[in-house]
Amino acid sequence: ETGVTQTPRHLVMGMTNKKSLKCEQHLGHNAMYWYKQSAKKPLELMFVYSLEERVENNSVPSRFSPECPNSSHLFLHLHTLQPEDSALYLCASSQDPWGSGSNEQFFGPGTRLTVL
Amino acid sequence: QKEVEQNSGPLSVPEGAIASLNCTYSDRGSQSFFWYRQYSGKSPELIMFIYSNGDKEDGRFTAQLNKASQYVSLLIRDSQPSDSATCLCAVKERDDKIIFGKGTRLHILP
Repeated sequence: ETGVTQTPRHLVMGMTNKKSLKCEQHLGHNAMYWYKQSAKKPLELMFVYSLEERVENNSVPSRFSPECPNSSHLFLHLHTLQPEDSALYLCASSQDPWGSGSNEQFFGPGTRLTVL
Repeated sequence: QKEVEQNSGPLSVPEGAIASLNCTYSDRGSQSFFWYRQYSGKSPELIMFIYSNGDKEDGRFTAQLNKASQYVSLLIRDSQPSDSATCLCAVKERDDKIIFGKGTRLHILP
């Protein structure tokens, strides 16, 4: 059983919908991450929050909006998505703050998103 | 374009043999190196990480790092069918970005 949980596990949404993905880590970690995993592509880092501050934003379109209300919770708000945004969205956490330590990451089970 | 390269496979290895997986990276200033495995339909799980040149052993797994040649490898001794998965290499670069390779599909033959 992973210490990182994600809800929902599956999500189907239309292009005009607004939805949110939730991640919670029970490990006392200091950094949290959002990744996108598409078929036949490597994992793509989207956002990093370290000590509740956003420290990395890898040129992600504004239709993806992250939120980190505290060190245990991370959200990804979705708005006006495109069909090519369909993918597995993975949340991860690491004990060390970003930029220190080795940042080995523990992944949640992911949310399988389908945009119609 | 900074990259992490892996052979996509599949790499087929008989049960009980040694599986050898390789990964090369382009950023010479990279700091830390990770091996994850990902079973079909599951999320990645950390196998081990290494940040110093040489070998690091953990049970049946050995990570090998050669910064001069910019490669990191993973050896799995006494391979088991349960080791069949996609093995992902990840590199933490000098600017702290973590880049993943596409992964190598490993298939252990019973």
